[in-house]
Formats: sequence, structure tokens, C-alpha cells
Amino acid sequence: AQTVTQSQPEMSVQEAETVTLSCTYDTSENNYYLFWYKQPPSRQMILVIRQEAYKQQNATENRFSVNFQKAAKSFSLKISDSQLGDTAMYFCAASIQGAQKLVFGQGTRLTINP
Amino acid sequence: GAGVSQSPRYKVTKRGQDVALRCDPISGHVSLYWYRQALGQGPEFLTYFNYEAQQDKSGLPNDRFSAERPEGSISTLTIQRTEQRDSAMYRCASSPHTGFEKLFFGSGTQLSVL
Repeated sequence: AQTVTQSQPEMSVQEAETVTLSCTYDTSENNYYLFWYKQPPSRQMILVIRQEAYKQQNATENRFSVNFQKAAKSFSLKISDSQLGDTAMYFCAASIQGAQKLVFGQGTRLTINP
Repeated sequence: GAGVSQSPRYKVTKRGQDVALRCDPISGHVSLYWYRQALGQGPEFLTYFNYEAQQDKSGLPNDRFSAERPEGSISTLTIQRTEQRDSAMYRCASSPHTGFEKLFFGSGTQLSVL
């Protein structure tokens, strides 16, 4: 079964610092998608960044970037110059091709302190 | 509409009652997904549709749960004879194609069973 593991239940950093959230996954698929979603206190699900497994280049979206290590099945999220508005729950997710499902990790609660 | 719309936003019901949760996807979106998210957990897959066809319902917890999308647009998730353990956030998502290139989540329905 495909699983997604986020080993850091909570993290806390000071504003303007850089923080990295970890995610590992287990899949037998060769082609799949990986995602990071942000869930603020409003409990919306906001897509932060997406990575296609067949692409070697790491995805980047402004202050957000990923470190995708396919062989290690690792997909970490780096937030640079963190802002108070980055405070949220962050979920890593992986797709199961063919089954058309997303499997989510348990989440990391990130707090940015002023 | 501009996004995925779910109603009601909040639903409080007594144990044993039936509830129907509605999802109105983005117009023209082919795929529609239902997820359930317990407090402090990541979303868990329930079921999904491509057009009006239910493709996979393996995530539905038991036969009290059912879903339909009769015209390939609006979907209803029905829970019969609700139990306290059904209390959770129920999320709908839609995508324009059957892949995961773009997936849009609704704000969810928070269900509380007393």
C-alpha cells in the first residue's frame, strides 16, 4: 500500500528564517505526482507546490521550493524568508496513478513566530 | 462558480439521523473526489467520479456511506444512520481532467454527530 509519512508533527521558527518540512513516501509506481498543501486555521486546502516524478528538476514557487529525491522517496518542502502568514498545517500528498487517489501524510503544524 | 462549493458549511445532527452533503464542482470539471478529514489528521480518500460514473468507492467506511453524481456535475455524499465516529470534515475536490495536474478543494462540510 502506498503511504506518506511526515515525521515532524510540529515545527516552530522565527519570522524571516528558512524552514524545511520533511516527507517520505512509499510507492511502487514509476510515474506519480507529489504535492504540498497548506491548511490555515480557516481549514481551507491550498496547493503550495506540485512535483511530477518524471521531472528531475525541483519545483519552485516564489519562497517555496522542494528537494525531490526519487531514489530515496523523499520530498521535502523548504520555505525561505518565512512570514507570519505561513503559520498553518502542511500536508504532503502523493498520487496513485491508475487508482486516481491522493494519499496524504499526517501533517506538520508550522508556527512562525514574530 | 469560481471554485468548488460545498454545502452546508456546518452540519450538526443527532445520532441515527441521515445527512446529505452537497458538492458543486467547478463547471466543466471531469473528476470529482470526496475525502474525509478527522481533526488533526490528513484527508482520507472516500470515493471519486469521472463524469457521472463512480470509479472507486473503496474508501467508503461501510454501507451507510454512499455517493452519487447523476448528471456528471453536482455530487451528494449521503450518510445514513449517523454515528458519533462519523464526525469529521468532509471535503470535495474537482479537477478538469482525470489526472492530477490541477486539483481544487472546496472549503468542506464540518459534520458533528451528537
